[in-house]
Amino acid sequence: QPVLTQPTSLSASPGASARLTCTLRSGINLGRYSIFWYQQKPESPPRFLLRYYSDSSKHQGSGVPSRFSGSKDASSNAGILVISGLQSEDEADYYCMIWHSSAVVFGGGTKLTVL
Amino acid sequence: EVQLLESGGGLVQPGGSLRLSCAASGFTFSSYAMSWVRQAPGRGLEWVSAISGGGDVTDYADTVKGRFTISRDNSRNTLYLQMNSLRGEDTAVYYCAKDQSAGSSGWFQPWGQGTLVTVSS
Repeated sequence: QPVLTQPTSLSASPGASARLTCTLRSGINLGRYSIFWYQQKPESPPRFLLRYYSDSSKHQGSGVPSRFSGSKDASSNAGILVISGLQSEDEADYYCMIWHSSAVVFGGGTKLTVL
Repeated sequence: EVQLLESGGGLVQPGGSLRLSCAASGFTFSSYAMSWVRQAPGRGLEWVSAISGGGDVTDYADTVKGRFTISRDNSRNTLYLQMNSLRGEDTAVYYCAKDQSAGSSGWFQPWGQGTLVTVSS
């Protein structure tokens, strides 16, 4: 089972909200980790969106709109990225990441389609 | 403005070697850890290796351990990745990325534009 699991794809309408999940493997304690989120558009390098550890320890990337927000769901052991007020420019691949056992681990990525 | 510019990619035969470089500017290079992250065609992101700001601590993904070596020259503001015993599965765009502290954390901001490595006969 992968360390981080993300849904392969997600579709949502313009103006709606999209909720992207990043589930940690059973046995890995969500509460101990900062969850990082990256956005990647075609033919471009990834872009840092935000880091979320808790409501009192989080960081928004430079120039990243406030409609991108992070959280955690302890009940499902998952990090959450919510994008509100979806715009066509939000269509991209989204990757979650943690630093685990002296290594960076990425989720497989979620392709977000805005239609 | 922070800038990262990778170079050194190209076509190499299986079993061959290649050295990638990442020229950094716009920040105090020695104060920040750096990483290499790769992306195979049509696939997701895979972290390759990280090095601390001082160059004394390195980490590697299991898939490249023993074949790849990360290093840095802080006097030249340059990061390197020496890749030996290359395999077809190493074919990817290789990005260098700046961490947010002297120790590695995975907080990558920004990323370079990437350099393509193709391993094929």
